Amino acid sequence: AQTVTQSQPEMSVQEAETVTLSCTYDTSESDYYLFWYKQPPSRQMILVIRQEAYKQQNATENRFSVNFQKAAKSFSLKISDSQLGDAAMYFCAYWGSNYKLTFGKGTLLTVNP
Amino acid sequence: NAGVTQTPKFQVLKTGQSMTLQCAQDMNHEYMSWYRQDPGMGLRLIHYSVGAGITDQGEVPNGYNVSRSTTEDFPLRLLSAAPSQTSVYFCASRKATLPYEQYFGPGTRLTVT
Repeated sequence: AQTVTQSQPEMSVQEAETVTLSCTYDTSESDYYLFWYKQPPSRQMILVIRQEAYKQQNATENRFSVNFQKAAKSFSLKISDSQLGDAAMYFCAYWGSNYKLTFGKGTLLTVNP
Repeated sequence: NAGVTQTPKFQVLKTGQSMTLQCAQDMNHEYMSWYRQDPGMGLRLIHYSVGAGITDQGEVPNGYNVSRSTTEDFPLRLLSAAPSQTSVYFCASRKATLPYEQYFGPGTRLTVT
């Protein structure tokens, strides 16, 4: 079974600075998808960014980018120019051939003004 | 287009009571899933469905039943509520084809006393 590990339960960043959230996963598959979801205090799950394993190019969405290292099974999220609205719980998730989305335990990000 | 809707938003049950959490989506998605979210545990898959009439167990299925009689609806039934089922429950849906993004409902906070 696939597992997803987020080794940082909590992180903090100063407004306008850059922060990187870590995620590693374990799989024997070669074709899969990775996601970062954001959960603000409203509790709504919001997709931040998606990466297809067959693509070598790292995904980017505005201030959010990933560092996808397939051989190392690493999928970190970089948030540039952090804003107060970025404060949330962030979940890394893996989707493979079993049609199930497996989540990490999350990283709580605090943004300090 | 309402997306994924869940009712109720909050519920308090006594041990041993039964109830159904409702989930509906209007995006004609084939796949639907139920997750529970507990502090420090991330989201864990309870049951999922790949189409009307087809359901399967996820990681934590005990104490829950599901059915999928229509594409739109995927109710989750608690047969005999226990305090261990106190959690936040999320319903999600996605297409069977790329880009495999899951859309989440707003969640139901359930407390069992």
